[in-house]
Amino acid sequence: DQQVKQNSPSLSVQEGRISILNCDYTNSMFDYFLWYKKYPAEGPTFLISISSIKDKNEDGRFTVFLNKSAKHLSLHIVPSQPGDSAVYFCAASADNFNKFYFGSGTKLNVKP
Amino acid sequence: NAGVTQTPKFRVLKTGQSMTLLCAQDMNHEYMYWYRQDPGMGLRLIHYSVGEGTTAKGEVPDGYNVSRLKKQNFLLGLESAAPSQTSVYFCASSGWTGWEPQHFGDGTRLSIL
Repeated sequence: DQQVKQNSPSLSVQEGRISILNCDYTNSMFDYFLWYKKYPAEGPTFLISISSIKDKNEDGRFTVFLNKSAKHLSLHIVPSQPGDSAVYFCAASADNFNKFYFGSGTKLNVKP
Repeated sequence: NAGVTQTPKFRVLKTGQSMTLLCAQDMNHEYMYWYRQDPGMGLRLIHYSVGEGTTAKGEVPDGYNVSRLKKQNFLLGLESAAPSQTSVYFCASSGWTGWEPQHFGDGTRLSIL
């Protein structure tokens, strides 16, 4: 059973608007969360992270929100740009060996 | 900056054949990982290593073996390939100073006929 779930396989957004990508997890021991971005034929690249001691982390146009009681995190992209079109994975870790569990990904399409 | 390099990029095998996927990193990272990515499943951890000479099982280790003889290299072996091992394989590495993002290679697309 997947411990990290991304229930929306795809999302389409108009350029300039907000993109909100969601992720749910089941393991209450997870204490570090990452978002990765992946273009076709490339490996995932790190985007933004958050530890369980915070509920928000911001980096430029990207903000990650963590709701521990709901076991939910979200990635907000504002404003969305066509170059943001990619697959986004969330990942969570609960140990000291940096092992992460990944969601199945959400394909974001930002329309010009 | 090479980062994480995977060899080969594509390969087609017949059922029962063996092969080795090579991962090399030039960032002096202690930790290295092998994942497979299948449609609708995200990335699943096969094996990982926390240092030269060490290996450990991940979520889906069956049918695979690994070796980390040198710090910069992490090899993934398939002794007897099966169609269920058709997938895209990603190697990643990270440092060990607390939680760090993993750096990924560009993947190896493997098809087993």
